[in-house]
Amino acid sequence: DIQLTQSPSSLSASVGDRVTITCHASQDITDFLNWYQQKPGEAPKLLIYDASNLETGVPSRFSGRGSGTDFTFTISSLQPEDFATYFCQQYDKLPTFGQGTKLEIK
Amino acid sequence: QVQLQESGPRLVKPSQTLSLTCTVSGASVRSGSYYWSWLRQPAGKGLEWIGRIYTSGNINYNPSLMSRLVLSVDASKNQFSLNLTSVTAADTAVYFCATETVVGTKNWFAPWGQGTLVTVSS
Repeated sequence: DIQLTQSPSSLSASVGDRVTITCHASQDITDFLNWYQQKPGEAPKLLIYDASNLETGVPSRFSGRGSGTDFTFTISSLQPEDFATYFCQQYDKLPTFGQGTKLEIK
Repeated sequence: QVQLQESGPRLVKPSQTLSLTCTVSGASVRSGSYYWSWLRQPAGKGLEWIGRIYTSGNINYNPSLMSRLVLSVDASKNQFSLNLTSVTAADTAVYFCATETVVGTKNWFAPWGQGTLVTVSS
């Protein structure tokens, strides 16, 4: 299995803040990485695919970058609706997910 | 647009079989553009990929579940299903079905069903 390690596991921030989450893969996955947002009681929602491509309809304040083993996900200016849990997911081999980063209001 | 809906028993006894069905609308399970996937999420925890089935009948399983897992497709009903045998309390989770869109070498999970909580308890 390819292990994905996200950090931090939780994060407190304020509306308007810029936040960055990192995802480290246990081996080279080129750009085979996606990012999802999950709100309580809901299914995950795809935000970023192939490490840096914004899913249709997703606001441009969300972005992703990286390749190989190290990836980042950034929200440039937090909005109230962005407080949620975020997961990275690789598909270089059979799919695996990071453990999640819970983004909370400060 | 593609929509998915999980159905099946919400309570399963230990050692019995957990069976879920995902009904697809807006796309055919015969489509070569998608894998049909199952994932689960124990309460307060992360996501675990269970397995996927392709229109050709090709199936991939999570190695940790493979010995207890059977995935199938019913094209006549536009559904795909999961059967997980010999369940224990550790199998208690929200189970999601999802479309794994495939574009060349790229793929991603979207959309997802709303998820269904299955509890293993006597």
